[in-house]
Amino acid sequence: GQQLNQSPQSMFIQEGEDVSMNCTSSSIFNTWLWYKQDPGEGPVLLIALYKAGELTSNGRLTAQFGTTRKDSFLNISASIPSDVGIYFCAGQPYDFGNEKLTFGTGTRLTIIP
Amino acid sequence: NAGVMQNPRHLVRRRGQEARLRCSPMKGHSHVYWYRQLPEEGLKFMVYLQKENIIDESGMPKERFSAEFPKEGPSILRIQQVVRGDSAAYFCASSPPEGGNTIYFGEGSWLTVV
Repeated sequence: GQQLNQSPQSMFIQEGEDVSMNCTSSSIFNTWLWYKQDPGEGPVLLIALYKAGELTSNGRLTAQFGTTRKDSFLNISASIPSDVGIYFCAGQPYDFGNEKLTFGTGTRLTIIP
Repeated sequence: NAGVMQNPRHLVRRRGQEARLRCSPMKGHSHVYWYRQLPEEGLKFMVYLQKENIIDESGMPKERFSAEFPKEGPSILRIQQVVRGDSAAYFCASSPPEGGNTIYFGEGSWLTVV
């Protein structure tokens, strides 16, 4: 089956630092999505990417859909305490009519006081 | 994830009992997905349903698990004769009838098997 490798697995940063994380796939995806999950909650959609090469921002978050369709990147600028959580990438296969997602293993973001 | 309603949020079952999880999709959405998340792991796809149809159940365990999305009422994920390994968070998600790529998740149902 399709595999998504997400890195890093965890990050420990100070407030105000920028954050970068990425996902790579063994196969092509049609769409990349980035979610954030807080403890005890469901994933919340942050950014959706639909075209190879697309760069999309949502406030301090910026994500890019890689040109090979096999990777994606998420950057968070000037981190704040509420950014703490687990970030998941997810990809939809190039398979019209079935929108099921394959999820990465997550990047746990911790902010050191 | 506002709008996708799951219940119960937390469920405790003894080994051998049945667990039934319910999901009401966002208003206007007719595609429902179920995902399972084990502790410290990402979400794993289980099943994709449209009204009265199972579209893709490639992620469902072959035994004890079943899902339905009837013409009326919520989608149900049923786990029969639960075992400790079924303890996990089960997330429902929905998307609109025209398809599209944006899937919204509910807040999850946490199943604990004791």
